[in-house]
Amino acid sequence: DTEVTQTPKHLVMGMTNKKSLKCEQHMGHRAMYWYKQKAKKPPELMFVYSYEKLSINESVPSRFSPECPNSSLLNLHLHALQPEDSALYLCASSYGTSGAETQYFGPGTRLLVL
Amino acid sequence: RKEVEQDPGPFNVPEGATVAFNCTYSNSASQSFFWYRQDCRKEPKLLMSVYSSGNEDGRFTAQLNRASQYISLLIRDSKLSDSATYLCVVSEADYKLSFGAGTTVTVRA
Repeated sequence: DTEVTQTPKHLVMGMTNKKSLKCEQHMGHRAMYWYKQKAKKPPELMFVYSYEKLSINESVPSRFSPECPNSSLLNLHLHALQPEDSALYLCASSYGTSGAETQYFGPGTRLLVL
Repeated sequence: RKEVEQDPGPFNVPEGATVAFNCTYSNSASQSFFWYRQDCRKEPKLLMSVYSSGNEDGRFTAQLNRASQYISLLIRDSKLSDSATYLCVVSEADYKLSFGAGTTVTVRA
């Protein structure tokens, strides 16, 4: 089973709100990822966690705060977002941590910032 | 220069036709290569990994040419359900995947 789940599926928030996106996988994968995807563009890497430790932050603004409570869960905390942050936020995971392994994507959270 | 470049298409083909498209990558040290499929407003899903010897999965054939740094995907006997955006994905170092912008394929009845 190569399933990554994400909640919520849709989220609408104001610029002063605080919300969190959740991602879960039970495949024993050791690396987890957050991507942002705008319409008609490919996914852009935001963060990488390897063995529950943040290993890559692609210069993402601090209004996005990732958290990895355990090996199966990945959160993305959102605060004071801007309308241009509206996008599809995808979580992915891979068994290996070398970067050469297949990444499996969750269905995404479609975020709209008003 | 983009790390992974694809012909955006669209490729409009009738059912049963064969369609093929390529992508090129700039980093000669890239290790792994994939084709993902993405339907409108859905997540990318792995279609197939691409191996140096080339590989086939049903109606789909992928080829890798390391010397020329390109990857190809061929779809035989196209089905309506093959309509999607096909993302060429190349692994770099340090966990990173580089995504092409995608090739849109529309199969018409």
